[in-house]
Amino acid sequence: EAGVTQFPSHSVIEKGQTVTLRCDPISGHDNLYWYRRVMGKEIKFLLHFVKESKQDESGMPNNRFLAERTGGTYSTLKVQPAELEDSGVYFCASSQWGAGGPTDTQYFGPGTRLTVL
Amino acid sequence: AQSVTQLGSHVSVSEGALVLLRCNYSSSVPPYLFWYVQYPNQGLQLLLKYTSAATLVKGINGFEAEFKKSETSFHLTKPSAHMSDAAEYFCAVTVRGGSNYKLTFGKGTLLTVNP
Repeated sequence: EAGVTQFPSHSVIEKGQTVTLRCDPISGHDNLYWYRRVMGKEIKFLLHFVKESKQDESGMPNNRFLAERTGGTYSTLKVQPAELEDSGVYFCASSQWGAGGPTDTQYFGPGTRLTVL
Repeated sequence: AQSVTQLGSHVSVSEGALVLLRCNYSSSVPPYLFWYVQYPNQGLQLLLKYTSAATLVKGINGFEAEFKKSETSFHLTKPSAHMSDAAEYFCAVTVRGGSNYKLTFGKGTLLTVNP
């Protein structure tokens, strides 16, 4: 069974440009999460999808970030326009739906390293 | 709100020595606790988790952790370090029975194993 995949693995862009990150969860996992690690800091929660619906986007930094999950399969995270402080590693994770809610174990992808110059 | 403190951003041990990575948490409700490991150029891999069953949890690669409520701790140990254990380790907490199980992470501990 394939794990969580993320594309691209690295992205280097200029300040003001747009970047779109993609995450493919494990097949059949209804829950999809985005996290971010800024250099030197802890990994922080960004948002949570259940299928195509955003359940919790309390961690999204600002309105320059837009996450979508059309059809409840893969997800994209767009940053527009990118700023220097957006640099970091963006992780995606997925989990199954259990009895009445998400299961407790999340499976992480390898991350996308974003560098904004 | 929940938080995690990992004491020591960098721990160095000799091959064959005991590995002890410290994690303390803060949570107003009963927590679930996790240790994840990130090997170079790879994603986060679950090592072990505490979800209110046994307080001593065994994970992969010979690691184990003990949940101590009185000390709000969940330290990770391994009796004998291998070179292959060199990686970054993350402790994380979430709310037991929460609606989405979003994780709150510590800052990570980089483990170096010396020959």
